[in-house]
Amino acid sequence: DAKTTQPTSMDCAEGRAANLPCNHSTISGNEYVYWYRQIHSQGPQYIIHGLKNNETNEMASLIITEDRKSSTLILPHATLRDTAVYYCIVRVDNYGQNFVFGPGTRLSVLP
Amino acid sequence: SQTIHQWPATLVQPVGSPLSLECTVEGTSNPNLYWYRQAAGRGLQLLFYSVGIGQISSEVPQNLSASRPQDRQFILSSKKLLLSDSGFYLCACIRGLAGGPQIRSTGRDTQYFGPGTRLTVL
Repeated sequence: DAKTTQPTSMDCAEGRAANLPCNHSTISGNEYVYWYRQIHSQGPQYIIHGLKNNETNEMASLIITEDRKSSTLILPHATLRDTAVYYCIVRVDNYGQNFVFGPGTRLSVLP
Repeated sequence: SQTIHQWPATLVQPVGSPLSLECTVEGTSNPNLYWYRQAAGRGLQLLFYSVGIGQISSEVPQNLSASRPQDRQFILSSKKLLLSDSGFYLCACIRGLAGGPQIRSTGRDTQYFGPGTRLTVL
């Protein structure tokens, strides 16, 4: 299984872009990068995922380096409600056993 | 898209008592289903997964068990709870695929989570 490395915590000012990095240097060619977040006392929420190309949706943008060894999740205009733990996951394409969640990055959006 | 229901939302149980947590899924057939546990301040630990009715795979040996009596129902049980069983239990689902559980899901399939059950064992 490819493992990911994320900073333990980050702060971001409200209204500014939050850039959350993730290293996945052992990623395999057919493994996707997923991002989830977990607001306190709730189930994890899917944000975005990608394979090689950069991706954007209504929640965030995902920038994957050309060598695919790292990625960055960008929340373009962080709000206080974006305060959560953000998980970067490389999906093991193994039948039935799919997601391994690490400790993630605790993002605090400050007023 | 699929919707995942879990109950109860919270539960306080004495040590040694039995446990039954239920998860049901709407909006898809033949889903892959998962039970995770999250201890306070920790990441998610995969406990069980199921690719079809009656098919259960255990990731962590412990005093918990899981069953899937129906396609969209996943149950987590214990005969005797331990203090260490306290935590936040999450059910998750990956959409079902045409052809049933024998078809392998791809890396692009997203896993969706239920609202969770917070269990406190005293």
